[in-house]
Amino acid sequence: SYELTQPPSVSVSPGQTASIICSGDKLGDKYAYWYQQKPGQSPVVVIYQDTKRPSRIPERFSGSNSGNTATLTISGTQAMDEADYYCQAWDSDTAVFGGGTKLTVL
Amino acid sequence: EVQLVESGGGLVQPGGSLRLSCAASGFIFTNYWMSWVRQAPGKGLEWVANIKQDGSEKNYVDSVKGRFTISRDNAKNSVYLEVNSLRAEDTAVYYCARLVGQMVHDDWGQGTLVTVSS
Repeated sequence: SYELTQPPSVSVSPGQTASIICSGDKLGDKYAYWYQQKPGQSPVVVIYQDTKRPSRIPERFSGSNSGNTATLTISGTQAMDEADYYCQAWDSDTAVFGGGTKLTVL
Repeated sequence: EVQLVESGGGLVQPGGSLRLSCAASGFIFTNYWMSWVRQAPGKGLEWVANIKQDGSEKNYVDSVKGRFTISRDNAKNSVYLEVNSLRAEDTAVYYCARLVGQMVHDDWGQGTLVTVSS
C-alpha cells in the first residue's frame, strides 16, 4: 500500500519560514493536499492540488510537489500557525495521509 | 454555511457494532462525494471510506474492508458508517468530510468518538 512520510516535528522562530516535507514514491505524479489541525479542532485544508490555496487561507501558505517530495511552506510564520500538519494524496481511489508533523513556533 | 454533524459514537465492547451518522446542510448534498476519516487518540488522520454522489461507488481502507459499510440517504442529506466486528484499534474520533471534485476534503464535521473496550 502507498505510504507518505513526514517528519514528526518542525520548529521555527516567529517571522521565519517553515518548510514541512512529505515523501512518497513518485508523489510528484499525484496531487498533494495539506491539512492543518489545531488541538481540539477538526482539520482544515490549507493547500490542495499541490499549490492551490483556499480563499480563507493566508497567502503565507504555499505548496510545491515534484519527484518524490511535496513541501508545505509557511512564510513569515506566526504563533497562530502552530498546529499539526498532514499531507494527503490519492492512490487507486483511496486517500492516504502522512503521519503528521507538529509545527512549533518558538 | 456548510455544516456536517456526526452522531452515533459511544462505548462498545470488542466485537460490537455501531452506526455512525453525519447530517449535512448548507450545500447541495447530491453534488458531492463524502468521506469518513478517523483519528485515534493522540494519533494522526486515517482515511476510512468514501462514497459517490448516488451511492454507486464506495471505497475503503484495507483495514476495515468487510467490517465497515458506508452508505448515504440523499433524501435525508445524510451519510452513514456501519461499523461491525469492532476492535480496540478502531477506537478513534470519526469525522465525516465533504469531498470537492472527488479530491479535496474541504469541510469537516466535529467528529464522534468511538471507544472499543470491555
